[in-house]
Amino acid sequence: ETGVTQSPTHLIKTRGQQVTLRCSSQSGHNTVSWYQQALGQGPQFIFQYYREEENGRGNFPPRFSGLQFPNYSSELNVNALELDDSALYLCASSSTGRGDFQETQYFGPGTRLLVL
Amino acid sequence: AQSVTQPDIHITVSEGASLELRCNYSYGATPYLFWYVQSPGQGLQLLLKYFSGDTLVQGIKGFEAEFKRSQSSFNLRKPSVHWSDAAEYFCAYMDSNYQLIWGAGTKLIIKP
Repeated sequence: ETGVTQSPTHLIKTRGQQVTLRCSSQSGHNTVSWYQQALGQGPQFIFQYYREEENGRGNFPPRFSGLQFPNYSSELNVNALELDDSALYLCASSSTGRGDFQETQYFGPGTRLLVL
Repeated sequence: AQSVTQPDIHITVSEGASLELRCNYSYGATPYLFWYVQSPGQGLQLLLKYFSGDTLVQGIKGFEAEFKRSQSSFNLRKPSVHWSDAAEYFCAYMDSNYQLIWGAGTKLIIKP
């Protein structure tokens, strides 16, 4: 069974640029969630995708957007990067969407983004 | 606002000693609570979760947690820590929108 993978592992961008982060879900999982984890803090929920549609969104501006593909892999796109976007971005997959509290989310190792 | 509080930013424990990490939540309905561990360079790993039933929950790696509604707490415990337990520990609950709300984490340091 393949776990959740993310690419790239590290990335350096400058303010105003755009970035795309990628996530490959665990086999058999149809739901993916993205989180931002600033240094020294817990993760903050960005959004969730279930079967290619956005299924919930946290308190992040529209310049944070995402996609989920038919194979359930996912992308997180951030436009007009700001210094405060520097963080570890985590992707988590699970096998059901809304309504199943008991479904565990499996996390990837994250992409560390530095915005200069 | 709904929140999760982990009062201890870091805790130092001697190897072989017992451990308790504190977690308090602010949420009216029955909470769905989780403990995750994050080691450097690795993703978050679920240690245990509570949804209902027995308030003492057993997890992986010898961890357990006890849900106490009267204290709005879900503290994580381990009777004897190992050096490999050094990591950051996060408490979280799932809100009514099925989103995980996280505490700020507690960094566990193990003294030899």
